[in-house]
Amino acid sequence: EDQVTQSPEALRLQEGESSSLNCSYTVSGLRGLFWYRQDPGKGPEFLFTLYSAGEEKEKERLKATLTKKESFLHITAPKPEDSATYLCAVQAAGRGSTLGRLYFGRGTQLTVWP
Amino acid sequence: SQTIHQWPATLVQPVGSPLSLECTVEGTSNPNLYWYRQAAGRGLQLLFYSVGIGQISSEVPQNLSASRPQDRQFILSSKKLLLSDSGFYLCAWSQGAGQPQHFGDGTRLSIL
Repeated sequence: EDQVTQSPEALRLQEGESSSLNCSYTVSGLRGLFWYRQDPGKGPEFLFTLYSAGEEKEKERLKATLTKKESFLHITAPKPEDSATYLCAVQAAGRGSTLGRLYFGRGTQLTVWP
Repeated sequence: SQTIHQWPATLVQPVGSPLSLECTVEGTSNPNLYWYRQAAGRGLQLLFYSVGIGQISSEVPQNLSASRPQDRQFILSSKKLLLSDSGFYLCAWSQGAGQPQHFGDGTRLSIL
């Protein structure tokens, strides 16, 4: 069965302290891996799509990377406004793929304090 | 650009009352549409998805139903709400395979 696991569940960083969030997945053929940011009381906001191992995407202080089994979201010199829950989702080839069905992890709650 | 609207933002309903949550998408045509529920500390649970007008698929048997009366309109309904229906409901759209889903700001539903 397709599965997405994110770690850690929660992460506290001091402003400027770089770190990484992990998303490991087991799917029968990856069609795409997606990262989202979710602020309290809001819907998830799309950040990146990664399609193949070795691919990297960057946006401001965030950089997403992908291997055959996991993805990392690297946060460089974070600021308090980066505090949010970061969700990872995968789309698998096969069942549901034409529907764009996503399988989500439970997220990593990131807190950056000044 | 594309936008997605959900309303209401918050809703408090008594047990046994009906429910209607509405979602509309602008700036795109023939999107795939999705309803999710997000419980505290848990992941996003897919409830329904639709690839076209009148085409609804259910992921989880439950007290809810969905309809798509127009291309860019998706409605989540219930005839009689249960306490267990409380949660954060999210609507999303995508252009299909390989494309990201884009979410609305959600409806916080509390059942009393």
